[in-house]
Amino acid sequence: QVQLKESGPGLVQPSQTLSLTCTVSGFSLTSYNVHWVRQPPGKGLEWMGRMRYNGDTSYNSALKSRLSISRDTSKNQVFLKMNSLQTDDTGTYYCTRDLGNGGSWFAYWGQGTLVTVSS
Amino acid sequence: DIQMTQSPASLSASLEEIVTITCQASQNIGNWLAWYQQKPGKSPQLLIYGTTSLADGVPSRFSGSRSGTQYSLKISRLQVEDIGIYYCQQASSTPWTFGGGTKLELK
Repeated sequence: QVQLKESGPGLVQPSQTLSLTCTVSGFSLTSYNVHWVRQPPGKGLEWMGRMRYNGDTSYNSALKSRLSISRDTSKNQVFLKMNSLQTDDTGTYYCTRDLGNGGSWFAYWGQGTLVTVSS
Repeated sequence: DIQMTQSPASLSASLEEIVTITCQASQNIGNWLAWYQQKPGKSPQLLIYGTTSLADGVPSRFSGSRSGTQYSLKISRLQVEDIGIYYCQQASSTPWTFGGGTKLELK
């Protein structure tokens, strides 16, 4: 079955870089798009960016200058790197896969990983 | 960016009651709208996509509709397991954006 799992450091210091990994199973990264979505504690959802099935990327313009998404298809992994972290970057980070029918509907989600930005 | 305005922000309803949540898009998004449910401590779950299509495994008491740029999620007979926070999301143009959420509680 389709599974996604985020991993990375739970604590990051301000101004440092966040590196997260999404390890997927049950589908191929060359067939489906994978997105990153984050959620500050007690708040709503924010789409961060996307790794398309063909290797193209797109980013939320609000984060574009700080964000990079890449992948390793041989390891079934998608990576997120975001620099210059601040306290308002604290939250749960999810990787998600879309439905695959042409729309960016987030049909499968990882469990999420909580990232705290603090010194 | 397209703004999605959800209402109400919170809602208290009784079991078996009909519940309606609305989402207003700041511009035309056609049928590029989805609804998600998030239970405490869990990841969001896709309920409806394409305004009206039910995701796999979602009970038929959930339905979606549209009138112009206003979208609605209806729960026909509220059940205990429906308690949570509901979000709408537009998939018309990037950045994909979500509504602020509606917290549904039992009365």
